[in-house]
Amino acid sequence: GEDVEQSLFLSVREGDSSVINCTYTDSSSTYLYWYKQEPGAGLQLLTYIFSNMDMKQDQRLTVLLNKKDKHLSLRIADTQTGDSAIYFCAERTDYGQNFVFGPGTRLSVLP
Amino acid sequence: EPEVTQTPSHQVTQMGQEVILRCVPISNHLYFYWYRQILGQKVEFLVSFYNNEISEKSEIFDDQFSVERPDGSNFTLKIRSTKLEDSAMYFCAATTRPPETQYFGPGTRLLVL
Repeated sequence: GEDVEQSLFLSVREGDSSVINCTYTDSSSTYLYWYKQEPGAGLQLLTYIFSNMDMKQDQRLTVLLNKKDKHLSLRIADTQTGDSAIYFCAERTDYGQNFVFGPGTRLSVLP
Repeated sequence: EPEVTQTPSHQVTQMGQEVILRCVPISNHLYFYWYRQILGQKVEFLVSFYNNEISEKSEIFDDQFSVERPDGSNFTLKIRSTKLEDSAMYFCAATTRPPETQYFGPGTRLLVL
């Protein structure tokens, strides 16, 4: 079945760039998403990318997609303490299908 | 900006009791979903719902679970006889039309004792 994997933890210093990686198995994935979850809160959509794109930039966020390797990354420039959260990669395939989530990467930003 | 809302934010119940979790999706969204996240684990799909019918459900969504859209605004998840392992955060999500992105509610934290 479909599977999405992420590294579980990442620590960076404030002001540095963070790169969160994700791999997925389903080659028919159509849309790939990044969600942010702060402690005790719900899932907040950060950005998404269509599978026919290689890169998408949105302010401090850059998403890179390597479809051949089924690898997705989220780069956060100038990471701030407010960026500390769990980041979930998710993918969906066909019309009407549900989302498949990765386990989440806990990002800790150190002062 | 319109948001998906969920009530209650927290619920504590005794094993074997029925619970109803409520969601109010964004008004022009027609496709609805429930997910759950057991503490420290992945977000798992439960069920999708469109046009007053279940479109798809996972293995988790057994006969103890049901969904309903009782009126034009609410979308509910009922667990008939709760088990300890039902303790989780339950997220409602909605979208205008797949595969457009799903907007998630803040979640209901359910604790079954």
